[in-house]
Amino acid sequence: QSVLTQPPSASGTPGQRVTISCSGSSSNIGSYSVNWYQQLPGTAPKLLMYSNDLRPSGVPDRFSGSKSGTSASLAISGLQSEDEADYYCGAWDNSLNGVVFGGGTKLTVL
Amino acid sequence: QVQLVESGGGLVKPGGSLRLSCAASGFTFSDYYMSWIRQAPGKGLEWVSYISSSGSIIYYADSVKGRFTISRDNAKTSLYLQMNSLRAEDTAVYYCARYSKFGTGVYDYWGQGTLVTVSS
Repeated sequence: QSVLTQPPSASGTPGQRVTISCSGSSSNIGSYSVNWYQQLPGTAPKLLMYSNDLRPSGVPDRFSGSKSGTSASLAISGLQSEDEADYYCGAWDNSLNGVVFGGGTKLTVL
Repeated sequence: QVQLVESGGGLVKPGGSLRLSCAASGFTFSDYYMSWIRQAPGKGLEWVSYISSSGSIIYYADSVKGRFTISRDNAKTSLYLQMNSLRAEDTAVYYCARYSKFGTGVYDYWGQGTLVTVSS
């Protein structure tokens, strides 16, 4: 059971916009910024979004993030086949003194 | 370019021990906090441990506290995880990750991972 809650799956067709939600509590998302990771099949996770809505260099602006209260979301617009991956949210948790992750959302491009 | 290369994984019996290593290059290792994060087969990410740049601050997940020990050697630019009293539920790919200087709880670089299998 993950501390942060994500839907297990999401899907969309090429060109569509999809969003992935991440829900937490006051000890994590409510107090700290949210980060998102993309894990392509068979590879290590890669930082996709940090501090709620900032993209590391090289991440397309089709990806955007937001946070409100104890929830956050990742939006992908202009969906492409190479976006098919697992997506994880993460945040610091001050009651656990560590980083907590969501269970991951498997994105399928139909 | 930043590189993190884990090694030391393998098959170990329940109750056994294993020491993982992570060789870092391409950045000033001694300036960064580091972590171990694991992923059980077909499962999500689980944060394991975190060590400050000097090694003076260390945190563990409750699931490994008292059994795992994180350490680092800044002269050798290496991170370690000593794993004792291993259990079947410790079976996972273990990733070494760099804690970013930007944001909170951000891991900006990850290694390719090393697989630890605990089975009799």
